[in-house]
Amino acid sequence: NAGVTQTPKFQVLKTGQSMTLQCAQDMNHEYMSWYRQDPGMGLRLIHYSVGAGITDQGEVPNGYNVSRSTTEDFPLRLLSAAPSQTSVYFCASSQGPGQGAKGYTFGSGTRLTVV
Amino acid sequence: EDKVVQSPLSLVVHEGDTVTLNCSYEVTNFRSLLWYKQEKKAPTFLFMLTSSGIEKKSGRLSSILDKKELFSILNITATQTGDSAVYLCAPRGDSSYKLIFGSGTRLLVRP
Repeated sequence: NAGVTQTPKFQVLKTGQSMTLQCAQDMNHEYMSWYRQDPGMGLRLIHYSVGAGITDQGEVPNGYNVSRSTTEDFPLRLLSAAPSQTSVYFCASSQGPGQGAKGYTFGSGTRLTVV
Repeated sequence: EDKVVQSPLSLVVHEGDTVTLNCSYEVTNFRSLLWYKQEKKAPTFLFMLTSSGIEKKSGRLSSILDKKELFSILNITATQTGDSAVYLCAPRGDSSYKLIFGSGTRLLVRP
């Protein structure tokens, strides 16, 4: 049981480049989210999804796009990377509230550096 | 605006000490509060609290939620070096899938 799998683990981008961070879960969870973690600022929500075909913005969505074509996958796209997007990115998933949802299960993270 | 404040920001103790970590929150239509432990990588789930009261886990960890005063406490007794981590508090509001995280308390337990 792999849980939540994120790839890549590390990435260096040049300013202006685009890329996609991959996230996949094998727990049949309805809810998936992307967070970024910066020093001293905790985790901030970028985008989230309550099911296939449904996505919405979180606290810090600018510069990022998401899609949810399947229950399992929730990729995060950086459209034109900026140094301010240097951060650690976490994908997380959870059961729906009617299924005894507890905490999110987090992936191991992607450390992104934009130079 | 939703707000979560954790204190202290960091804490250094010796093995065997007892620590208390604090979390105060202001969240619209509060539903529950979760505690996570983060070592080097991803946060791992510790507790979810929905009602005022006490919930225990693993014997040495316990947490209290006070919905009237809008705070939660995480207690760790007989600390061990393996307890060294960042502890994150995350209340959940009217959007049950959205967790609002505090900045965390960094705990270092020295031998």
